[in-house]
Amino acid sequence: AQSVTQLDSQVPVFEEAPVELRCNYSSSVSVYLFWYVQYPNQGLQLLLKYLSGSTLVKGINGFEAEFNKSQTSFHLRKPSVHISDTAEYFCAVSLIYNQGGKLIFGQGTELSVKP
Amino acid sequence: GAGVSQSPSNKVTEKGKDVELRCDPISGHTALYWYRQSLGQGLEFLIYFQGNSAPDKSGLPSDRFSAERTGGSVSTLTIQRTQQEDSAVYLCASSSLAGRTGELFFGEGSRLTVL
Repeated sequence: AQSVTQLDSQVPVFEEAPVELRCNYSSSVSVYLFWYVQYPNQGLQLLLKYLSGSTLVKGINGFEAEFNKSQTSFHLRKPSVHISDTAEYFCAVSLIYNQGGKLIFGQGTELSVKP
Repeated sequence: GAGVSQSPSNKVTEKGKDVELRCDPISGHTALYWYRQSLGQGLEFLIYFQGNSAPDKSGLPSDRFSAERTGGSVSTLTIQRTQQEDSAVYLCASSSLAGRTGELFFGEGSRLTVL
């Protein structure tokens, strides 16, 4: 079975500081990887995804993530955060081969950006 | 519609009552998912529909939970004899590529409170 672990439940950071949100996954088969963001009182939206190719993936709002197969990680980074980045961030995996296509999500990381 | 629509947005019910939550996916999306979001629990997969295939019900927590999708479009999640532990936000998502490589589009959720 697949699982996703987000190592930090809460990450407080000051505005314009860099941030890294950590995600590790476990799977016996190859997976696709995703980061979703949920702004306060809104639905989830896709931030970025890794399907194949370059292990460094760029997403919306200046975020990027790097797939590290040997460490089974897909950490999310941003060099300089804004107040508006305050949200909950979810890492997710899905199986490449036909297993239903569902996403398995981590428990989320609450990013709080302070002025 | 333009996005995934869920109703009701809020539902308060008494323990033991049945509830129905509705999801109207994006037109043309063949895949539909239900997830549950509880405080500190992340997003828990419940059920997945893909076209005319048998649904993946592997995430339903008990036989009190059921879901159907009529005409390949609207879906209803039914919880019978609700319990307090059923209190959560129930999220619906749809996708045009079975979720394996595509993006899931989420509704804003139905918040269920069981008193």
